[in-house]
Amino acid sequence: DTGVSQDPRHKITKRGQNVTFRCDPISEHNRLYWYRQTLGQGPEFLTYFQNEAQLEKSRLLSDRFSAERPKGSFSTLEIQRTEQGDSAMYLCASSLVRGFNSPLHFGNGTRLTVT
Amino acid sequence: GESVGLHLPTLSVQEGDNSIINCAYSNSASDYFIWYKQESGKGPQFIIDIRSNMDKRQGQRVTVLLNKTVKHLSLQIAATQPGDSAVYFCAENVGNFGNEKLTFGTGTRLTIIP
Repeated sequence: DTGVSQDPRHKITKRGQNVTFRCDPISEHNRLYWYRQTLGQGPEFLTYFQNEAQLEKSRLLSDRFSAERPKGSFSTLEIQRTEQGDSAMYLCASSLVRGFNSPLHFGNGTRLTVT
Repeated sequence: GESVGLHLPTLSVQEGDNSIINCAYSNSASDYFIWYKQESGKGPQFIIDIRSNMDKRQGQRVTVLLNKTVKHLSLQIAATQPGDSAVYFCAENVGNFGNEKLTFGTGTRLTIIP
C-alpha cells in the first residue's frame, strides 16, 4: 500500500499526558498537512509543510501542539498536556504540488480519546 | 466568517438511481473545489475536483457542477451502488497553488437503499 500511513490508528490517554502521532506521506509528495475532525464535522485545517518547512499554522493549533517534518518526509504531531477537548480524529494528508490541481490524499487518521 | 456548508445532512437513494448532493459556499474568492467521500473509520477519499474557470467536470459515474453566480456546488452520482454509501464533503480553497488550506463543509450522509 503506497498511500498515506498514520500510526497509531487509535490512542487512549489520560488528561495531562503527552501524545505523539506519526504520518508517512506518499513518497514523492512534497506537501504534508494535518487536519482534525470531530464527530459529525468536516476536517479542520491545522498546519501544513512544504518539504521540511512549516508554512502555515491554524489558530486551532495552540501552543500545546507542535508538528515537525524534519527531513521533509514523515511528520509527527505532538500534543502536550492533553485535554478532553483534544479528543478527535487527527488526519494527515499529502499532495504533490506541480501545478494547480493537486488533490490532497488523506490517511485513515489517528483517533485520540482523552479520558 | 465565511464557510462551506451543505443543504441537507442526510440523503437516501434507491440503488441504481442517480443522486445529487448539494453544497453552498460563501467565499467568493474560492477558486478550487473538491468533493471527498468518507467511509466509516477511514480518511476522506478524493472523488473529483473543479477549478473556478469551469462549470462542469465529469469523472467515472460522477459529475461536479459549479455555479459561481449563486455560489453553489453539486455532486451527481449516476447509477448508485451500495458502495456509494458514505459521508460526502465538499471543500473549497483559496490560494495560488491549490490545497494550501482546504475548508470543509459539515458533510452529507448518503445511504443507498438496496
